[in-house]
Amino acid sequence: RKEVEQDPGPFNVPEGATVAFNCTYSNSASQSFFWYRQDCRKEPKLLMSVYSSGNEDGRFTAQLNRASQYISLLIRDSKLSDSATYLCVVNNFFGNEKLTFGTGTRLTIIP
Amino acid sequence: GAVVSQHPSRVICKSGTSVKIECRSLDFQATTMFWYRQFPKQSLMLMATSNEGSKATYEQGVEKDKFLINHASLTLSTLTVTSAHPEDSSFYICSVPYRANEQFFGPGTRLTVL
Repeated sequence: RKEVEQDPGPFNVPEGATVAFNCTYSNSASQSFFWYRQDCRKEPKLLMSVYSSGNEDGRFTAQLNRASQYISLLIRDSKLSDSATYLCVVNNFFGNEKLTFGTGTRLTIIP
Repeated sequence: GAVVSQHPSRVICKSGTSVKIECRSLDFQATTMFWYRQFPKQSLMLMATSNEGSKATYEQGVEKDKFLINHASLTLSTLTVTSAHPEDSSFYICSVPYRANEQFFGPGTRLTVL
């Protein structure tokens, strides 16, 4: 079983719609969680950290469910510029910067 | 924010040659840098941790004699793919830890071995 699993998609969503991604992780001791965004042939860029209490950044909302070991990302009012691959990322050891990446979920926003 | 550069951005080489990739932290000093590899439609896989002043730490399954890492200074780490073969063709990305739980990634180097 992969440490971090995501539905690879692709998700093809009309502009303005709401889209949600889920991610599961296998290590119950995982400490930190993130969503990164990766555009085609580019490096990943941090979208947002994910906290147990849930957090929101503009149109993006992230949730963490430690009991079920899953993380979600919700994008509201999707824009064409949201088209990218979204990577679920986990840090298993507090203070250790090693990150484990999911394979990513590919999102395409359709005009 | 922190800026990380990589050079070259793209390299095409013949099988059997060695390729050196540089990763530079432009804004701050980094005692640790990470090297990842990403094959098409796959996730980033951590290859090794580059440590300034000491040997690199390699992940399981990564050949240290094939992927030579040198953390020459607090702002520079190099990855050398020795005797590259077509199966080494991949996207190589470095990252630099910036602060707690945040990393900045270099723009990546696309290696194609013919």
